Amino acid sequence: SSELTQDPAVSVALGQTVRITCQGDSLRSYYASWHQQKPGQAPVLVIYGKNNRPSGIPDRFSGSSSGNTASLTITGAQAEDEADYYCNSRDSSGNHLVLFGGGTKLTVL
Amino acid sequence: QLQLQESGPGLVKPSETLSLTCTVSGGSISSSNYYWGWIRQPPGKGLEWIGSVSYSGSTYYNPSLKSRVTISVDTSKNQFSLKLSSVTAADTAVYYCASLLVSIISYYFDFWGQGTPVTVSS
Repeated sequence: SSELTQDPAVSVALGQTVRITCQGDSLRSYYASWHQQKPGQAPVLVIYGKNNRPSGIPDRFSGSSSGNTASLTITGAQAEDEADYYCNSRDSSGNHLVLFGGGTKLTVL
Repeated sequence: QLQLQESGPGLVKPSETLSLTCTVSGGSISSSNYYWGWIRQPPGKGLEWIGSVSYSGSTYYNPSLKSRVTISVDTSKNQFSLKLSSVTAADTAVYYCASLLVSIISYYFDFWGQGTPVTVSS
């Protein structure tokens, strides 16, 4: 399949936990990665592989996967986490194609 | 850590060819772990993968753009390039280059350029 589906918008109260999901058939075979994008800035990788964080990414960010769904969890959301989040994976067709989800706008209340 | 920087014209006329170059520093573009990718983002919209190239020159394109896209690599300059032909206003976007770390179980973009805005207008 050639699609990754995300909810367009999610909100969370300051300090609470939020889960952002990404669905797609390719996720049964390949891990998703997650990127955070703030207005006017380039995307930044926050989670990759099974559940790995690049250097400098706070440990309140974590990733998980089950079946055709990948999830990004922010435990104790902070005001600075308000951003767009995009999932990304490889297509499962075998053609080395790259997929992006449509993005989820996270609002921290 | 890798650093990537896009360069090229910010304004392209309709029906012409958009040409951008990405210069990689802090590492070799010839690394076998990496592909090199172009991604774009129209105003107010999400990310769209355009295509990727390996250091050996193997290319992979978004099927929706494949007929108009050429991506190439120049290992001597540690650069890779994007050409998008027959552009229209719909190609107006911020264009990003990024390093794509590839493995059997995952593909992910670990470093991104700052992005360069391209407007298609006469």
